[in-house]
Amino acid sequence: EDQVTQSPEALRLQEGESSSLNCSYTVSGLRGLFWYRQDPGKGPEFLFTLYSAGEEKEKERLKATLTKKESFLHITAPKPEDSATYLCAVPPSGNTPLVFGKGTRLSVIA
Amino acid sequence: ETGVTQSPTHLIKTRGQQVTLRCSSQSGHNTVSWYQQALGQGPQFIFQYYREEENGRGNFPPRFSGLQFPNYSSELNVNALELDDSALYLCASSFSDGANVLTFGAGSRLTVL
Repeated sequence: EDQVTQSPEALRLQEGESSSLNCSYTVSGLRGLFWYRQDPGKGPEFLFTLYSAGEEKEKERLKATLTKKESFLHITAPKPEDSATYLCAVPPSGNTPLVFGKGTRLSVIA
Repeated sequence: ETGVTQSPTHLIKTRGQQVTLRCSSQSGHNTVSWYQQALGQGPQFIFQYYREEENGRGNFPPRFSGLQFPNYSSELNVNALELDDSALYLCASSFSDGANVLTFGAGSRLTVL
C-alpha cells in the first residue's frame, strides 16, 4: 500500500512562474512529514519537517504547508537553481525510518 | 562538522558477485540507515543500525546485510548480486532522538552487468 504519493511526477516552470507540489499520505497518527531536495547525482538534503495540520515553514522561495491528509510545497518566483527532485517522506509509525514518495522532478527554465 | 561520506562513489560488478559499500556518519550521530534508490524512484529503506545492532529492516532479502562499528561508521554488503540491484545506495545518519532528521551522503552508484 502506498503511504506517500507525490504529484505531479514532473513539473516544468518558467523562471518566476509560481506553482505547488503535492504530497498525500495515508499513515495514521502522523509523526512528522519531511521534505527533502535531491540534486542529480547527490543524496537528499533536508528542507523541512511539519508535525501538525495548519503548520507552515518557509525557506527562501519555498513554503511547506500541512493538512490532515496532504502537504504542499509552494514555490514562489522560482529560479533555475531551484531545479531538483523534491521528495516527501513520513515515518509509518513510532520511531520507524522514513518512507519516501517517488518525488517530483522540477525544472525551472530561464 | 563533517557530513556523511560514502565510498566508493561508483562501481561496476557482474551478476553473482559480492559488494561492500562504506559510510562514515556525520559527527555526533549514532544511528545509520541505508536506502536503495532505483532510477526515477524515491529512496527505499533497507535497514537501520543503532549501537552496532540492526534495529529495523525493510523488505529486502537476507543477502543484504550490514555492520555498524564503534565509531558509528557502517558497511552495506550485498551477496549474489542481481541485475535489479543496480541503483544508488544512500547512507544516512541521525540522532536516536526520534526526530527522524536524516543527513544523507552522496551515495554509491552500483551497476550490475
